[in-house]
Amino acid sequence: AQSVTQLGSHVSVSEGALVLLRCNYSSSVPPYLFWYVQYPNQGLQLLLKYTSAATLVKGINGFEAEFKKSETSFHLTKPSAHMSDAAEYFCAVSAPGRRALTFGSGTRLQVQP
Amino acid sequence: DTAVSQTPKYLVTQMGNDKSIKCEQNLGHDTMYWYKQDSKKFLKIMFSYNNKELIINETVPNRFSPKSPDKAHLNLHINSLELGDSAVYFCASSQDRTSSSEETQYFGPGTRLLVL
Repeated sequence: AQSVTQLGSHVSVSEGALVLLRCNYSSSVPPYLFWYVQYPNQGLQLLLKYTSAATLVKGINGFEAEFKKSETSFHLTKPSAHMSDAAEYFCAVSAPGRRALTFGSGTRLQVQP
Repeated sequence: DTAVSQTPKYLVTQMGNDKSIKCEQNLGHDTMYWYKQDSKKFLKIMFSYNNKELIINETVPNRFSPKSPDKAHLNLHINSLELGDSAVYFCASSQDRTSSSEETQYFGPGTRLLVL
C-alpha cells in the first residue's frame, strides 16, 4: 500500500520568496510521484511527475521537485513565488500496476504581496 | 476544446433523491476514473475503468454505480443520496499504453454536489 504525507496544510510566502512544499511518501515498491495544482473552483492540473528517469524533475510554471529515496521525499520548490501561484497543491503516489492515485491532504499556498 | 468535461457543474438536491453525473473525454484515453473530494479537500479514488471494464472499486457504497457506455464516457449514478455524499466529484482519464500507472491523469473541472 502507498501513502503520502504533506507537512503543512497552509504555507504563506512573500512574493519573490522561495516556495517549499513538503511531501513524504510510503511505498513498498518503487513509486511514481506526482504534484498537482488546484486553483479555486477548478480541476487538478499536473505540475510535474517522477517516473524514475531523473531524480530532479522540472515542471510547469517554474516548479521543480527532487526525488530522494533515502529520505522518501519529493518536495516541491520554486525559486521565486508569484501571486498567481496561490492555490492548493497536492502530492500523489501511484504504484506499478495500480492505475489510481493516492493523494496527500494538500497544502494551501498563500502568496503575500 | 475541453479535454475532460463533466456535467453538471453544480448539483443541489434533497436527501433520498437519485442523481447522475456525466463525464466525457476527447483525449482518446483508455482509462477513466472517479475521485471524491470532501469538504477538507481530501481526494480519494472511487472507481477506475479501463476500456469499459471496472478495474478499481474502492469500498464505495453500492448506492454509487458507475457506467461506461464507451471508452470516452464514464457516468456516475448515485441512489438514495445522503448528506455525507456532499462533495466535489472529479472525473479523470489517462492513456494506457503499457498498463502503466506512471501515465498522467487529466482531470475534469469537477461536479459540486450538495445534498440538503
